Amino acid sequence: DTAVSQTPKYLVTQMGNDKSIKCEQNLGHDTMYWYKQDSKKFLKIMFSYNNKELIINETVPNRFSPKSPDKAHLNLHINSLELGDSAVYFCASSQGSGPGNTIYFGEGSWLTVV
Amino acid sequence: GDSVTQMEGPVTLSEEAFLTINCTYTATGYPSLFWYVQYPGEGLQLLLKATKADDKGSNKGFEATYRKETTSFHLEKGSVQVSDSAVYFCAPLILGKLIFGQGTELSVKP
Repeated sequence: DTAVSQTPKYLVTQMGNDKSIKCEQNLGHDTMYWYKQDSKKFLKIMFSYNNKELIINETVPNRFSPKSPDKAHLNLHINSLELGDSAVYFCASSQGSGPGNTIYFGEGSWLTVV
Repeated sequence: GDSVTQMEGPVTLSEEAFLTINCTYTATGYPSLFWYVQYPGEGLQLLLKATKADDKGSNKGFEATYRKETTSFHLEKGSVQVSDSAVYFCAPLILGKLIFGQGTELSVKP
């Protein structure tokens, strides 16, 4: 029974395409995140939502648009894909965003732009 | 700004060897501290955490102690196994964001 699930796990697409990655959590958490892991395994936060409201947006190009239809879902849409967007994208969730909260990650979505 | 420095990898050990992966951080205040592990081809799993000074987090034989005076959270395990081969990430939680170190790759040989 996966706690944070994301689809697709693997995605290969051409430059210029638009793609979406979906994320759902069944932990009853109210805060969800997107993190990006680059080819050197460096991880950085992209966005954070609390109860469907955007609370963190880390200087991500506006080709990336998160959408939270409800607090259990946070989808990531990427327009006009570029080679540099190739990465692993991790969805995550937590109960609240204060100190002491634990953030739980999904399995990751491996995006390759060719 | 806030940052994390982890021991450079890869670290290669023989089975049953003692493991230490150093982690120090720079942050305002006293963040909660986490270690995450990423096995090959898999996602990030929480390994352990500590929320205040002198707390010790532990899980699966791994331990780390929150050292406020040295702003460190070093990961240790007394006897590693081949199955511990993975990339380990140290991360303080600061203002709702995990700030990750660069990761330390561990390879354990039989």
